[in-house]
Amino acid sequence: EAQVTQNPRYLITVTGKKLTVTCSQNMNHEYMSWYRQDPGLGLRQIYYSMNVEVTDKGDVPEGYKVSRKEKRNFPLILESPSPNQTSLYFCASSLLPGQGNEQFFGPGTRLTVL
Amino acid sequence: QKEVEQDPGPLSVPEGAIVSLNCTYSNSAFQYFMWYRQYSRKGPELLMYTYSSGNKEDGRFTAQVDKSSKYISLFIRDSQPSDSATYLCAMSGNTGANSKLTFGKGITLSVRP
Repeated sequence: EAQVTQNPRYLITVTGKKLTVTCSQNMNHEYMSWYRQDPGLGLRQIYYSMNVEVTDKGDVPEGYKVSRKEKRNFPLILESPSPNQTSLYFCASSLLPGQGNEQFFGPGTRLTVL
Repeated sequence: QKEVEQDPGPLSVPEGAIVSLNCTYSNSAFQYFMWYRQYSRKGPELLMYTYSSGNKEDGRFTAQVDKSSKYISLFIRDSQPSDSATYLCAMSGNTGANSKLTFGKGITLSVRP
């Protein structure tokens, strides 16, 4: 089954404790992206990757890191989480960026930073 | 002015109603227009896709794009409780910064039995 998987689905942590949210897709997609979704603010792009070893900042990259060492995986790293990073996070992938290419979303990771 | 504006809602309608969801945009480079549907505790899924201007129909759903007015709509006929979800419009252009998919904030629809 074609899908994007994320782990963990739920995470409660404390300020400053480094964490990684994993993302994997099995569709051989070039383009992968991380979003956060907050009430009243909608989906905002954090980082994206056009291909292996090619990553770039989205609209809200501060406090986040990513890597793309393999085509299928695109982990999101919070080196020192803060309460304002409490949010719902989605990983997404598409064959190519934009141009009508469907983005496939993972199930989401709900993160709470205390 | 934000690139994509969407009525914030929420919207509550009785079962069987016709629902109209709308977005406006400011970037004339946008050519690809999508509607995503997001059920509670799930990721968004593509519902409808339209290229440039015109209408597209799929069952009870119709997507309309009016590029001259920079206005897109999603109509749901004979709405069902199973249509209760958040609907996000999304759009992109062809090249460069415009190729990134830009989302509206989403509107939550509730269809009452």
